[in-house]
Amino acid sequence: EVQLVESGGGLVRPGGSLRLTCAASGFTFRNYGMNWVRQAPGKGLEWIAYTTESGARIYHAGSVKGRFTISRDNARNALFLQMNTLTAEDTAVYYCAREGEGSGRILDFWGQGILVTVSS
Amino acid sequence: QSVLTQPPSVSAAPGQKVTISCSGSSSNIGSNYVCWYQYVPGTAPKLLIYENNQRFSGIPDRFSGSKSGTSATLVISGLQTGDEADYYCGTWDDSLSAGLFGGGTKLTVL
Repeated sequence: EVQLVESGGGLVRPGGSLRLTCAASGFTFRNYGMNWVRQAPGKGLEWIAYTTESGARIYHAGSVKGRFTISRDNARNALFLQMNTLTAEDTAVYYCAREGEGSGRILDFWGQGILVTVSS
Repeated sequence: QSVLTQPPSVSAAPGQKVTISCSGSSSNIGSNYVCWYQYVPGTAPKLLIYENNQRFSGIPDRFSGSKSGTSATLVISGLQTGDEADYYCGTWDDSLSAGLFGGGTKLTVL
């Protein structure tokens, strides 16, 4: 069974940093691309970042480019999101999602999400 | 304002059919496959449709998808109260080199 479990969220002050981790199990992690997606209060889903299977290519949304960095450790079956210079607009539930097999951006399995609150 | 445009809400009675549209442009829907997701806030989003019209594992055939040009459509027939959720289209944008979701459509089953 595919399982994705996010951790590392919580309350952080504006300007602060946080590192989210997504622990993967139930599949061969190194064979799949991975994504981060967030949902801010009262807003829709927002794609944040994607990494290829090896981590050689990464992509970020314009809203977080230069502040957030996606990375992975295939030996530990873990996906990360380093978030710096956080603002109140980054307050959201953050989800990691696996890139499914097939053509296009297919997010086939998702974690339960982790809340990040940016507030003074 | 999302790059992919969806109606904010749709509604219909149990047993009826609803159509949810997703409008984009040549750099996203026009040149990439579209997925559809069902989302109840606070829970994990669920993949319904991938590659425009392929049902994901375990998704009933009441859910169907299609794409034409720069627009995509999700049809849900035989509506059930359990279908009440937010529905999102998703794709990739070649110009932005970024993933995209539509603004979401809230389905109410009256």
